[in-house]
Amino acid sequence: DAGVIQSPRHEVTEMGQEVTLRCKPISGHNSLFWYRQTMMRGLELLIYFNNNVPIDDSGMPEDRFSAKMPNASFSTLKIQPSEPRDSAVYFCASSPKGERYLAKNIQYFGAGTRLSVL
Amino acid sequence: AQKITQTQPGMFVQEKEAVTLDCTYDTSDQSYGLFWYKQPSSGEMIFLIYQGSYDEQNATEGRYSLNFQKARKSANLVISASQLGDSAMYFCAMREGPGSNYKLTFGKGTLLTVNP
Repeated sequence: DAGVIQSPRHEVTEMGQEVTLRCKPISGHNSLFWYRQTMMRGLELLIYFNNNVPIDDSGMPEDRFSAKMPNASFSTLKIQPSEPRDSAVYFCASSPKGERYLAKNIQYFGAGTRLSVL
Repeated sequence: AQKITQTQPGMFVQEKEAVTLDCTYDTSDQSYGLFWYKQPSSGEMIFLIYQGSYDEQNATEGRYSLNFQKARKSANLVISASQLGDSAMYFCAMREGPGSNYKLTFGKGTLLTVNP
């Protein structure tokens, strides 16, 4: 079975440029998450979607960051304009439908996109 | 206060020996879930094992087991018969509240090195 697919794996850009990260969740999963990983702050949840609808975007650092999920099989995270402090590894994860009270809701991660903003 | 604490920044173990990675958590919820993920040097995050707060048995998945001590709020990962491929960063994470709440909080991680 295909896992979560992220592209690109590596992105190098210059300050001020627009960056778009892409994610294809596991088929049948209805929740999607974007995380950022840095040495200083560890893994931080940026935003998550349930059934393509953004549920919690409180982790999005500022207005330069935006995320969309136009359908169940695709999501983007956009940074515009990018800044050097945005350099990090960005992960996408998906989770299956879990309406039961004690559902595990295991999140499965993609390989990540390593972003470098010069 | 940190919700997930991993006190061991780094651990070393000899190949074929067992190792325990510590994790303590802080929550006032009765229903919660605890997870361990592995991140090898290649960077991907790999789910290893899950323990629900109401699970009476400690979770096991192959060579991985979770030593769940609810009263002490600890969820230590035990890796038996370590292999060189186990060298990686290991993260403990918690989901507070029922399964319908999807948010995970991660610890800072423990870097495990398996020596031949």
